[in-house]
Parts: sequence; C-alpha cells; structure tokens
Amino acid sequence: IQLTQSPSSVSASVGDTLTITCRASQDVRSWVAWYQQKPGEAPRVLIYAASSLHSGVPSRFSGSGSGTEFTLTIYNLQPEDFATYYCQQADSFPLTLGGGTRVEIK
Amino acid sequence: EVQLVESGGDLVQPGGSLRLSCVASGFTFSAYEMNWVRQAPGKGLEWVSYIGTNERSIYYADSVKGRFTTSRDNAKKSLYLQMNSLRAEDTALYYCARVSSGWDLWGQGTVVSVSS
Repeated sequence: IQLTQSPSSVSASVGDTLTITCRASQDVRSWVAWYQQKPGEAPRVLIYAASSLHSGVPSRFSGSGSGTEFTLTIYNLQPEDFATYYCQQADSFPLTLGGGTRVEIK
Repeated sequence: EVQLVESGGDLVQPGGSLRLSCVASGFTFSAYEMNWVRQAPGKGLEWVSYIGTNERSIYYADSVKGRFTTSRDNAKKSLYLQMNSLRAEDTALYYCARVSSGWDLWGQGTVVSVSS
C-alpha cells in the first residue's frame, strides 16, 4: 500500500492552521497514524487510529479520515510544531509510511 | 524509566553482517509487538520489520526480505535484527519502536554504515 502525502513541504507562520493530506493506494480503513520528527530526534506519535490523539499531545493536533484519504490538521501553529510529519498505515503488511511533509517557518 | 536502547550499529563492508539489539526497560516487554524502522541520511522513515509478542508473527519489508532476520528474547527484554548481505542502500539510522497506540515508544537509534 502506497501512502502519498501532500504537500511535501510547506511554509507557514505561527498562528496558522495547517492541513496535511495522506492518500492511500487502497482502503486502509482507519488504520493510520501520524508522527512528528524534529531534526536529530526520534519520531513521536501524534495521532493513531486516524483520529485518536495520543496521550500528552496538544489538542491543536487533529486527525480525520478513513478508507483512502486522511488529514492531519494543526491549529494555531506554534514554534515547536515546525518539523517533519509522516503518516503510516497499519492495515496490512508490509507496513508503509508516507514520504513526509516538512513544515517550515515562513 | 520507560525506554528503548538500540546498539550494535557499525561501519561494515558490502556483503558483511551485523546484529542490532534493542533493550527495553520500564515496561513489560513481552506484552508488546515491536518494529524496526530505519532512516537513510536525509531521507524519510522506512519500515523494516515487525515481530509479534512471540516469534510466531514476523514480517519484513521487501527490501530486506531474505537478508534480515528479526527475533526477540522476552526474558532478556531484548529485540534483535540480524542483518546479512548488507548493501550500501542499507546505510541508515535504525530505530526500534514499540507498538501500542501507534508506534508510541522509540529508541534513539543506532547507525549502520555500509561502505568499502
């Protein structure tokens, strides 16, 4: 299953609302997670099961979707949110991740 | 402290072998499925392998199938990745990751460099 993220990179300002899309090449039901990775750090999970917020993750992060189209929305973008974001499907093996979306400061 | 610590990364020649380890602490390792995930320099994340709570369910990415072997020792709270017939394209930072609500716990990674 291929996961296509868009955009691949985006410039945004503090306070903006940002939406990242992840499209699956076939139905993955709701088995999608989203990860954030900052330079030099391991990834951390933000959203699992398409829309469930992982413990400790700020509520400005929101996930939605099912089937083949999923979105990660970040409301009121904060300086610490500038990072790279990945979607990942856990519906079937081989597990796959999207190519990533780099969020930069405008 | 709840953590995963990888080790075993090194510089190895093409065709060589390496064994990575991931040691868990602070949680009941035997209760969790685990993954290996890698990241080539400047590139995105790539899933490598999955192992269930025992060794009955193991899956691999096509890029490593037949060359890499994942195993675990629940008594030692350890996950392993035996890497054979290494290629230049296997050069990456290798992470182990726990499966819970998504991949909710990651190690800091260990670097594998394949070069002559």
